Amino acid sequence: GESVGLHLPTLSVQEGDNSIINCAYSNSASDYFIWYKQESGKGPQFIIDIRSNMDKRQGQRVTVLLNKTVKHLSLQIAATQPGDSAVYFCAERNDGGTSYGKLTFGQGTILTVHP
Amino acid sequence: GAGVSQSPSNKVTEKGKDVELRCDPISGHTALYWYRQSLGQGLEFLIYFQGNSAPDKSGLPSDRFSAERTGGSVSTLTIQRTQQEDSAVYLCASRPTTFWDDNEQFFGPGTRLTVL
Repeated sequence: GESVGLHLPTLSVQEGDNSIINCAYSNSASDYFIWYKQESGKGPQFIIDIRSNMDKRQGQRVTVLLNKTVKHLSLQIAATQPGDSAVYFCAERNDGGTSYGKLTFGQGTILTVHP
Repeated sequence: GAGVSQSPSNKVTEKGKDVELRCDPISGHTALYWYRQSLGQGLEFLIYFQGNSAPDKSGLPSDRFSAERTGGSVSTLTIQRTQQEDSAVYLCASRPTTFWDDNEQFFGPGTRLTVL
C-alpha cells in the first residue's frame, strides 16, 4: 500500500541510534493503542500494542510508552537498522456496539535510517 | 501459511464506472476489515465483518460504496459510479478473534485504484 507522502512528519536517524516516534491520540476511552509499520508497497504490519491501563510495554528492540494524562503515545526503537525504514502508524482500538477490534489510525511518521 | 491476498493489485478506471475489489482473508480468520489509504494519509476505516453478525458499515463514505462477505471468507468491495476522489489504495485486513485482546490485524498488499 502506498504510504509515503509529502506532508507526513519525518524522522531521520543513523544506523545504531535509538529512534523515538511520537503520536498524539484523541479518544481517552480507547481500549488499546497499537503501532504498525508500513514498508513501501506493502500493507501495514503489527509491531506492538499496549492496553490502556498500562504505561509501558517492551518487545524485541521496541518499547511503547503511554501517557494518558497528555494523551501521548511513543514508540522507541533501539539500535535502529536500515530495515526499520518505513512509515509508522499509531492506532487506537475502540470497541463499540458489535464492532470489535476496529482501529482508528493516525497520520503516520516516516522513519529513514541512514547506514 | 498464505497471508491476506487482494486483487487486482492495480485498477485504473474511468470516472462513472463501477469497480469491484476482492479480498481473500487468512483461512479461519473470522474478522475482516476494509480500509482506504489516500496518498500521504493514514488508513481510513470503511467496513468490518465479524462472522455472521451484521457488518459495521459506519466508515463507508457514501452509498456508492458497498461490500459483502460470502460464506464468511472472501469479501468484495464495490464502488459504483467512481469519482476521482475515490482514487486511493484499498487495504483489506483479517484477524482471528479467538482472544479479545489480540490486536494484530493481518493486512493484504492493497489494491491501488486510480480513477481518471
